[in-house]
Amino acid sequence: AQSVTQLDSQVPVFEEAPVELRCNYSSSVSVYLFWYVQYPNQGLQLLLKYLSGSTLVKGINGFEAEFNKSQTSFHLRKPSVHISDTAEYFCAVSGNNQGGKLIFGQGTELSVKP
Amino acid sequence: DSGVTQTPKHLITATGQRVTLRCSPRSGDLSVYWYQQSLDQGLQFLIQYYNGEERAKGNILERFSAQQFPDLHSELNLSSLELGDSALYFCASSAGLGAGTGELFFGEGSRLTVL
Repeated sequence: AQSVTQLDSQVPVFEEAPVELRCNYSSSVSVYLFWYVQYPNQGLQLLLKYLSGSTLVKGINGFEAEFNKSQTSFHLRKPSVHISDTAEYFCAVSGNNQGGKLIFGQGTELSVKP
Repeated sequence: DSGVTQTPKHLITATGQRVTLRCSPRSGDLSVYWYQQSLDQGLQFLIQYYNGEERAKGNILERFSAQQFPDLHSELNLSSLELGDSALYFCASSAGLGAGTGELFFGEGSRLTVL
């Protein structure tokens, strides 16, 4: 079985500052890793995904994440955030034998202040 | 717009009642997933269907059931509703079975309020 832990429930940050949202996972099989974003009153939208290959993954809106197998982490980073990045961010994992279902972390609320 | 359509967007009902939530996946997607999002439990996987067949089951209560029809739309039935069932219910779809085949596309959710 897989599980995901997002280490911060809330991350306040000032506009144009860098941000890192932390995610750790556990799994007994090879995994695929994802970050989704949820804006208020909307569904989830894929930011980026790691399936295989390069451990540094670039996504939409300037976000990137690094897969670290030894530390079982998949932290999300952005060098300079905007007010419009204010949203809830979810890390998710899927085992390569799990038929596609995603197991989500509890979410991190990113609040960007002017 | 993800291409996944969920109805109704909002639903208010009373304890003990039964409701049906409907999901139309993206055109061509064979997999449908149902998730429940609540403040205390976060995003919980409920159930997955692939081309009409149940493929995976998560934390779905016995009072809940789902099915996927030949036209690939899916319905989630919630019965004997309790206050704690109040939540946002998401449907997602994907082209294939494995996460390696691509992403899950999420609808905007159906917000259920049980009074």
